[in-house]
Amino acid sequence: EVQLVESGGDLVPPGGSLRLSCVASGFTFSSYWMNWVRQAPGKGLEWVANIKKEGSEKNYVDSVKGRFTISRDNAKNSLYLQMNSLRGEDTAVYYCARGGSKLYYGSGNYYYGMDVWGQGTTVTVSS
Amino acid sequence: DIQMTQSPSSLSASVGDSVTITCRASQSINRALNWYQQKPGQAPRLLIYGASSLRSGVPSRFSGTGSATDFPLTISSLQPEDFATYYCQQTYSIPFTFGPGTKVDIK
Repeated sequence: EVQLVESGGDLVPPGGSLRLSCVASGFTFSSYWMNWVRQAPGKGLEWVANIKKEGSEKNYVDSVKGRFTISRDNAKNSLYLQMNSLRGEDTAVYYCARGGSKLYYGSGNYYYGMDVWGQGTTVTVSS
Repeated sequence: DIQMTQSPSSLSASVGDSVTITCRASQSINRALNWYQQKPGQAPRLLIYGASSLRSGVPSRFSGTGSATDFPLTISSLQPEDFATYYCQQTYSIPFTFGPGTKVDIK
């Protein structure tokens, strides 16, 4: 079964740090871009970061640049999000998601849809 | 950043109705547009990618069209399990951005 399982969410004070993990199973993890997406309580979805298949390219939304770091360990089928200098506005459910449904537009390039999602892990930033 | 808008923000419909939700991008995104369904307490589920490609296992009553900036999602013959919130998302350029969502509830 294709699956993503997140862990590591917790209650942390402002300024604190947390490391989220996402373990993949049922597919060749190293063949896919991977993403973190978050959802604040009662709000919509916000893309946070993504990382290329071999880890050579990483991208972030501006609001987390310099504070969050995405990484992966393909040998362990694992995706991570190191979160530092946490703020109240980082409070959210954090999902990992696979970039798997591809629309090719030439020369091996593609856009993708996020076709597999974990169940989410909750991060609460509060004193 | 590319801004995504959705209309309407919510709608009420009956089982068997056909409904259309529209997503608009602030600039051309080619066909790099995805649609997701989310139910309370659940992770999002991909329905449509590349503007019009139906993800495997998704019922054919869901259909997406459009290119450049305007993208309609149509649900023909609404079923009870379709009452949910729907989000569009562009993956044309970083940062990927989602629309604010459209809540479909029962009339």
